[in-house]
Amino acid sequence: DGGITQSPKYLFRKEGQNVTLSCEQNLNHDAMYWYRQDPGQGLRLIYYSQIVNDFQKGDIAEGYSVSREKKESFPLTVTSAQKNPTAFYLCASSTQTDSYEQYFGPGTRLTVT
Amino acid sequence: AQSVTQPDIHITVSEGASLELRCNYSYGATPYLFWYVQSPGQGLQLLLKYFSGDTLVQGIKGFEAEFKRSQSSFNLRKPSVHWSDAAEYFCAVGSYGKLTFGQGTILTVHP
Repeated sequence: DGGITQSPKYLFRKEGQNVTLSCEQNLNHDAMYWYRQDPGQGLRLIYYSQIVNDFQKGDIAEGYSVSREKKESFPLTVTSAQKNPTAFYLCASSTQTDSYEQYFGPGTRLTVT
Repeated sequence: AQSVTQPDIHITVSEGASLELRCNYSYGATPYLFWYVQSPGQGLQLLLKYFSGDTLVQGIKGFEAEFKRSQSSFNLRKPSVHWSDAAEYFCAVGSYGKLTFGQGTILTVHP
């Protein structure tokens, strides 16, 4: 079965710690995306990558970092510089030619205390 | 910059009733428009999309949406709602390879 895997589903961290969220896809998609979801605010784009070893900032990249060393993987690091890291994080992927039809993973809920 | 507004934060309907979720967009050119659905604690799934052509588009699960350029709207409809339709619905506009989402509308279905 092809799809997107995000792990873990729930993640708890202490303030001041960096944390990395995993995203893996076996859909053979070139493009991958990270979104942050907060209640009543919809989804906001953090970073996206259209090809291996290249990525671009989205609308709310401050306090986050990413890497794209493999086509299948697009991990997101939430750094201690992110002021309000507690949120639901969604990873998605798409083909390059149909970038608006995005396939989403189940999400990771990060709680920082 | 493009933007999407979903005026209704929460809508409640009875099972079997008709449904219309509102979406208004702001975009300079002909928009690419989408509706996604999210079940609680899950990722999003594409319901339908509009690129061009026929302004009434059909999607999965019996949903349809109508693009009205004069009103800058792309409202989602379903003639008869099922309890399994309870979820959060997001309208989105696409440009430069990225999606911009609305705030979402939570749908509650009463038996």
